[in-house]
Amino acid sequence: KNEVEQSPQNLTAQEGEFITINCSYSVGISALHWLQQHPGGGIVSLFMLSSGKKKHGRLIATINIQEKHSSLHITASHPRDSAVYICAVRGYGGSQGNLIFGKGTKLSVKP
Amino acid sequence: KAGVTQTPRYLIKTRGQQVTLSCSPISGHRSVSWYQQTPGQGLQFLFEYFSETQRNKGNFPGRFSGRQFSNSRSEMNVSTLELGDSALYLCASSLTDRGLYGELFFGEGSRLTVL
Repeated sequence: KNEVEQSPQNLTAQEGEFITINCSYSVGISALHWLQQHPGGGIVSLFMLSSGKKKHGRLIATINIQEKHSSLHITASHPRDSAVYICAVRGYGGSQGNLIFGKGTKLSVKP
Repeated sequence: KAGVTQTPRYLIKTRGQQVTLSCSPISGHRSVSWYQQTPGQGLQFLFEYFSETQRNKGNFPGRFSGRQFSNSRSEMNVSTLELGDSALYLCASSLTDRGLYGELFFGEGSRLTVL
């Protein structure tokens, strides 16, 4: 079993829909990252969070430390949101430098 | 403010050769980490450097090595290349303060093809 599990693996939505991508992890963490990767490879960091909720524009990320679960929400989705969304967790102490990645969720938003 | 710069962007090597990839972090960032991305395994952590010291290492063979210079620029080296080393190699820099890691800033990656 992977230490970081994302669901769904693939997601197709119509423009304007509300989207949720989930991330569950099995290890203790000091932080969780949500990353976005467009075709061509470049990765952009969307959020880094260790508790609660963060919002940036149409994107919202939440984390529940007790349940070891995080969600990324996209409101009013747009075709430019089409990308792979990757969840990554950072451990504690000596393993803080290590990031463990989920397999990613491929999102396609149709106009 | 310049972003993270990786060179070269693309390269083709043959089995048995070695390769060196370079990463220049954002000015002021002292932590540089390296990752391998393949279609089969996804993103995997290679190693992380801070102030010229390797602080963490992922589960990769000793053919994969790296170093960091006093100006925080980092290089990674892969020796005796194998076909399975074909991948996108990404580096990221971040601010760290008292052992706490900040947001990651990724470079565009170096795409290595091993023939």
